[in-house]
Amino acid sequence: DTGVSQDPRHKITKRGQNVTFRCDPISEHNRLYWYRQTLGQGPEFLTYFQNEAQLEKSRLLSDRFSAERPKGSFSTLEIQRTEQGDSAMYLCASSITADTQYFGPGTRLTVL
Amino acid sequence: AQSVAQPEDQVNVAEGNPLTVKCTYSVSGNPYLFWYVQYPNRGLQFLLKYITGDNLVKGSYGFEAEFNKSQTSFHLKKPSALVSDSALYFCAVSPTTSGAGSYQLTFGKGTKLSVIP
Repeated sequence: DTGVSQDPRHKITKRGQNVTFRCDPISEHNRLYWYRQTLGQGPEFLTYFQNEAQLEKSRLLSDRFSAERPKGSFSTLEIQRTEQGDSAMYLCASSITADTQYFGPGTRLTVL
Repeated sequence: AQSVAQPEDQVNVAEGNPLTVKCTYSVSGNPYLFWYVQYPNRGLQFLLKYITGDNLVKGSYGFEAEFNKSQTSFHLKKPSALVSDSALYFCAVSPTTSGAGSYQLTFGKGTKLSVIP
């Protein structure tokens, strides 16, 4: 499968714990995006990388959230001191141009 | 800031009938417009896009969408619905101009399509 992959697919954690998600984009795509989707809503933009540079961050990305793309390939999204309000589907997307973004299957986070 | 409205939370249509899922948008300048489909517990699958050119865009699985600049709409259509088309459909917009916000897609809340056998 040459699409966007995300790991893990599901994560259950206790409030206050740290979690890290991984995204592997389509191999030739230099642009990578993170979105968050809560129940009954469309995805909301979190952050954007072009190669290894993080070029844009949403105000939704609080200080507890950090994203990296160290070698311009895979990316990680870490949430520190998780809260119940962080429960959501975290989606990663990649693109080779400024238009079409291709999404991965998502990581569903449940914070107890 | 850009925004998308999908006025119908749910659309029900009989199998074999034409379907329309509505979308209106607001963005500075010319838009890039997209439709994505989401099946339960899955990510989003790209259906089609409008970048420039012909206002009628054809996409995957027999879907098409019509860009109407004066009405700022981008409705999704299919001439004959299939039960397998039942899913959650999202309209999204991004601006074509550079600057803050130019890389992000802004999505509507989604429309649940149910095709009744």
